[in-house]
Amino acid sequence: GDSVTQMEGPVTLSEEAFLTINCTYTATGYPSLFWYVQYPGEGLQLLLKATKADDKGSNKGFEATYRKETTSFHLEKGSVQVSDSAVYFCALSQAGTALIFGKGTTLSVSS
Amino acid sequence: GAGVSQSPRYKVAKRGQDVALRCDPISGHVSLFWYQQALGQGPEFLTYFQNEAQLDKSGLPSDRFFAERPEGSVSTLKIQRTQQEDSAVYLCACAVGGGAAGELFFGEGSRLTVL
Repeated sequence: GDSVTQMEGPVTLSEEAFLTINCTYTATGYPSLFWYVQYPGEGLQLLLKATKADDKGSNKGFEATYRKETTSFHLEKGSVQVSDSAVYFCALSQAGTALIFGKGTTLSVSS
Repeated sequence: GAGVSQSPRYKVAKRGQDVALRCDPISGHVSLFWYQQALGQGPEFLTYFQNEAQLDKSGLPSDRFFAERPEGSVSTLKIQRTQQEDSAVYLCACAVGGGAAGELFFGEGSRLTVL
């Protein structure tokens, strides 16, 4: 079945460092891809999404590009802040099916 | 309310007890989902409602799990005869339209601990 694989954490960075969180997927069709974020004490919330190959999703300085040839949707940010400390989940969905999540990657940013 | 509200936020149950977890979604949101999130794992799909109709319950792990949304708004997830492996955070999410994909709005979850 469809699945999502994320790099294991925790990822520990200093403020203003470059961030990459790898995500690859397995799917039989052409899924939509998502990054959700969970800040401490809060519910999951959508960070960005891409619905077709070569689309780039972006929000709050984060970006991810839907790469069909490598079945990847890596999350990047050029300069992280302490407030970016959270758990990040990569997810996919096919038409008519519920979101399938990866295991999550914990990001910790120190000043 | 403005967001998805779940109650109780924390529940401790003795093995064998029944529990009920409530989800109050964003008003007017057609789709409602329940997910189970074990410690250190991503959310796992349990069941999906479109209005009051339960369209997919393929993720429910056993017949001890039951969900309902009788009036198409508030939903309850019931777990009978709880077991230790049921310990997890139960997440409720909703979406504006029908269909199971797209942006979901999540509650903060109900953390169940079974002793």
